[in-house]
Amino acid sequence: DTGVSQDPRHKITKRGQNVTFRCDPISEHNRLYWYRQTLGQGPEFLTYFQNEAQLEKSRLLSDRFSAERPKGSFSTLEIQRTEQGDSAMYLCASSLDMGVLNGYTFGSGTRLTVV
Amino acid sequence: AQKITQTQPGMFVQEKEAVTLDCTYDTSDQSYGLFWYKQPSSGEMIFLIYQGSYDEQNATEGRYSLNFQKARKSANLVISASQLGDSAMYFCAMIRISGNTPLVFGKGTRLSVIA
Repeated sequence: DTGVSQDPRHKITKRGQNVTFRCDPISEHNRLYWYRQTLGQGPEFLTYFQNEAQLEKSRLLSDRFSAERPKGSFSTLEIQRTEQGDSAMYLCASSLDMGVLNGYTFGSGTRLTVV
Repeated sequence: AQKITQTQPGMFVQEKEAVTLDCTYDTSDQSYGLFWYKQPSSGEMIFLIYQGSYDEQNATEGRYSLNFQKARKSANLVISASQLGDSAMYFCAMIRISGNTPLVFGKGTRLSVIA
């Protein structure tokens, strides 16, 4: 297993454009999480899935953000009409059930820059 | 709501010395887990160590140990025999086991190991 993969690693986009990020979790992990991390801060929770069901969404996840996990495998995070405030590192993580004991396994992140 | 506080924005330590990174947490739950993650400049989050709220002994993993003081609600990370490769951001995080909620992170401490 190669761990959690995120694509792309970097994305530069103009304000107002839509962007989509992909996350491939560890295959046997049933939970998948999206976090956002801005410079000098810890990761902030956005949303998570158990299999294909989206179980929780943070208030940080405005209407411009949508996440899917079809068939309970990979996940996509789409941001519509990007704003400069969306510039951040977007981290994906996966875990087996709650991730107690072994924690979450994180991907290397997608760094978004909105110009 | 859970809250993680890391009061040290930055720390310096001499190579081969031990260092303690502070973490305090706030929760009304009885069943929870505490984690430490390392984030090098490359960006990935690396799981280091886990402590359950009902664990009677402090967790240890190689050069990492967790100084868990439940009554004080603190979970400090101790790194022994620091190495240059330990230079990174370190994040304390918490999960509510009973509430089935995702990991909540602190703001992190930047550790710099000096030769």
